[in-house]
Amino acid sequence: EPEVTQTPSHQVTQMGQEVILRCVPISNHLYFYWYRQILGQKVEFLVSFYNNEISEKSEIFDDQFSVERPDGSNFTLKIRSTKLEDSAMYFCASPSTGTSKAFFGQGTRLTVV
Amino acid sequence: ELKVEQNPLFLSMQEGKNYTIYCNYSTTSDRLYWYRQDPGKSLESLFVLLSNGAVKQEGRLMASLDTKARLSTLHITAAVHDLSATYFCAVEYGNKLVFGAGTILRVKS
Repeated sequence: EPEVTQTPSHQVTQMGQEVILRCVPISNHLYFYWYRQILGQKVEFLVSFYNNEISEKSEIFDDQFSVERPDGSNFTLKIRSTKLEDSAMYFCASPSTGTSKAFFGQGTRLTVV
Repeated sequence: ELKVEQNPLFLSMQEGKNYTIYCNYSTTSDRLYWYRQDPGKSLESLFVLLSNGAVKQEGRLMASLDTKARLSTLHITAAVHDLSATYFCAVEYGNKLVFGAGTILRVKS
């Protein structure tokens, strides 16, 4: 099964610091997504990214968040000034047009202290 | 805005029993997904259902979709302990998936 790779697997940061979460999606895919899951809660959509532009974003995705594809392969989610409530698992996802499945990375657990 | 409701939210069942998880959604959609999540892990794709009446089976799990009723079911046959996990349905809506709250399944031996 195709893989979506995320780094780091776990990040601990102090409140107010900037963090960058990285994703290497399935090659040749144009659509990428970021989701988050607060511990024990449901998976929430953050943003979708198509052909190097944001195509849709949720209310959660406010000005402290940004996404980039800096080098054509990696896909990053930046949180500028982290808050305690940003603590969650962050998942990158990439859909497969061939199988119609959406593959999720293994996630980055972000802990803001 | 699309709403996705799963029930039950928690299911404790004996090994060997059958049960069904329900997923209702509020707006027309072409695709519905079922995922499994083990504690602390990512989302594993189980099924994608693309059309009305679609039925897919894998082992002891069978998923179906009724787009007219806006309902999908995940049926568990003769449950075994290894099926213990959280199961999510997710509905495709625009450029995103909208997830249900998840059903925590515990299979007791």
